Amino acid sequence: DTAVSQTPKYLVTQMGNDKSIKCEQNLGHDTMYWYKQDSKKFLKIMFSYNNKELIINETVPNRFSPKSPDKAHLNLHINSLELGDSAVYFCASSPPLGRQETQYFGPGTRLLVL
Amino acid sequence: AQTVTQSQPEMSVQEAETVTLSCTYDTSESDYYLFWYKQPPSRQMILVIRQEAYKQQNATENRFSVNFQKAAKSFSLKISDSQLGDAAMYFCAYRTIFGNEKLTFGTGTRLTIIP
Repeated sequence: DTAVSQTPKYLVTQMGNDKSIKCEQNLGHDTMYWYKQDSKKFLKIMFSYNNKELIINETVPNRFSPKSPDKAHLNLHINSLELGDSAVYFCASSPPLGRQETQYFGPGTRLLVL
Repeated sequence: AQTVTQSQPEMSVQEAETVTLSCTYDTSESDYYLFWYKQPPSRQMILVIRQEAYKQQNATENRFSVNFQKAAKSFSLKISDSQLGDAAMYFCAYRTIFGNEKLTFGTGTRLTIIP
């Protein structure tokens, strides 16, 4: 009965590869997010989708492409991985504004680019 | 743009004592939400407490309470009767109520509990 799940939890890959991280939520929420946590633990929004539509894209390189096949899923595809992409990536979801505005986070995916 | 500042990179407290973590923020909005999230070594982001800016009453959740000073744009977290399981990174976060729903995080405070 996991609320927000991500796969994989760990990802080790070589520079230049393409990889995907998957996120699923079973909370019935309309909005999903991707956040990046860097090596100094700083968390920053990358993308947000509401009912499969992109609503936030925070100056992320276009090597990163989110895809939302339905409102319960938000995947993150990264092309041509670079060393600086090493980080922990968190997926989150929230209900519509006005109904308990808390964001619920997945367990994170630690990406290491060698 | 909103900013969130946590001026204490690290804090420590004796077990069973009380500790207060500081957070200030900058916004031109009159209504918004504020949160404290906890990130233990497991890396999971766990909501500790939330506060709606239109509510004057400070939020409390068991041993956790906030001191929300809207005019000063201050939102501190008080942990009473500290326990070993409270050891974690604590992040303060801001969220607007209009449009863009992202959380803006502070840089975090690492809390150590001394047995």
